Amino acid sequence: KNEVEQSPQNLTAQEGEFITINCSYSVGISALHWLQQHPGGGIVSLFMLSSGKKKHGRLIATINIQEKHSSLHITASHPRDSAVYICAVSFNNDMRFGAGTRLTVKP
Amino acid sequence: EAGVVQSPRYKIIEKKQPVAFWCNPISGHNTLYWYRQNLGQGPELLIRYENEEAVDDSQLPKDRFSAERLKGVDSTLKIQPAELGDSAVYLCASSLRGQGRDEQFFGPGTRLTVL
Repeated sequence: KNEVEQSPQNLTAQEGEFITINCSYSVGISALHWLQQHPGGGIVSLFMLSSGKKKHGRLIATINIQEKHSSLHITASHPRDSAVYICAVSFNNDMRFGAGTRLTVKP
Repeated sequence: EAGVVQSPRYKIIEKKQPVAFWCNPISGHNTLYWYRQNLGQGPELLIRYENEEAVDDSQLPKDRFSAERLKGVDSTLKIQPAELGDSAVYLCASSLRGQGRDEQFFGPGTRLTVL
């Protein structure tokens, strides 16, 4: 079983919709990361958090340490948000990645 | 400030041929990672360097894969000979470890296709 599970695997939304991507993990972590990967492979770090909530523009990330769960929210989604969103956790000087959620936002 | 640089961006080779990927991390970052990402999956760690020392290479297929980071700066990952199953995106990342600064910065990746 993968230490990091994401859902949904694929998500299609209409422009303007509120989007939620979920991540559950099974190990004790020092930090959780949300990453964005566009076609072509490059990965960009969106958030690194160890508690509570962070907001950057239309993106919001929350984490519940007790429940070992995190969510990434996108408000007022736009076609340029279309990408793969990856949840990753840091623990024991190591990092584990979820399989990613492929988001497609249609105009 | 320049990010993590990787080259080439794309590589197509025939099976049994050798291939090498190069990575230059962000200046000052002491930790360098090589990942392999198969289609539809998250990255999987191949090797992690702390300066010039490989501190975690447990997932590196050592019969055909090798890596080096001789001066603790840039790094090369080699596959010899390549197999069809090696087709993937090879990602390099770097970080400044210590004092909780373990955020990794990723390069654009090298997309390898083995025919």
